[in-house]
Amino acid sequence: SQQGEEDPQALSIQEGENATMNCSYKTSINNLQWYRQNSGRGLVHLILIRSNEREKHSGRLRVTLDTSKKSSSLLITASRAADTASYFCATERTGRRALTFGSGTRLQVQP
Amino acid sequence: DGGITQSPKYLFRKEGQNVTLSCEQNLNHDAMYWYRQDPGQGLRLIYYSQIVNDFQKGDIAEGYSVSREKKESFPLTVTSAQKNPTAFYLCASRQLTLTGEDGYTFGSGTRLTVV
Repeated sequence: SQQGEEDPQALSIQEGENATMNCSYKTSINNLQWYRQNSGRGLVHLILIRSNEREKHSGRLRVTLDTSKKSSSLLITASRAADTASYFCATERTGRRALTFGSGTRLQVQP
Repeated sequence: DGGITQSPKYLFRKEGQNVTLSCEQNLNHDAMYWYRQDPGQGLRLIYYSQIVNDFQKGDIAEGYSVSREKKESFPLTVTSAQKNPTAFYLCASRQLTLTGEDGYTFGSGTRLTVV
């Protein structure tokens, strides 16, 4: 079953703009993670936010977590053409030490 | 270089055959995972293992089998009981910590096609 659902499913922006992706989930979690996947490749871990954290930054990435709404957002600032990829949120729910992935957001950054 | 290696990159299977996908890691990670990805979809968990000689079913284990005889290896067998095996298979590993806060390291995947 899909724990997380990303919104939007697809996003197209111009280089230099910010990109925001949202993720909703259903159960109590230990942490929430964001991954990136280039077409036909494996996933790359971007950032992890714990259930007791509300915001985290890493370079051009900003992640927020609202456990009361069971939602998270990933903001990529000053996007580049190289940011074109699919982005997935993943949650580790309480009681299972394995990630459950959402359906992903396909981001296209136009040069 | 430390990493996780999946082989082969492409695999073709005839209907009714079992095939085994290889996953090897030299990161000394405790836990290993298998996921399936269908076109335009997210990843679904097949099996995972937190320790040698032990593994747990994920959300879509039917038609698959695994073994974990060595810490560095976690092969996945797609059996003839799996009715729709054509997909992209991804293996991942993680070092387990008390807080479980390490991200996964993924392999580059095996694309399986039934012919």
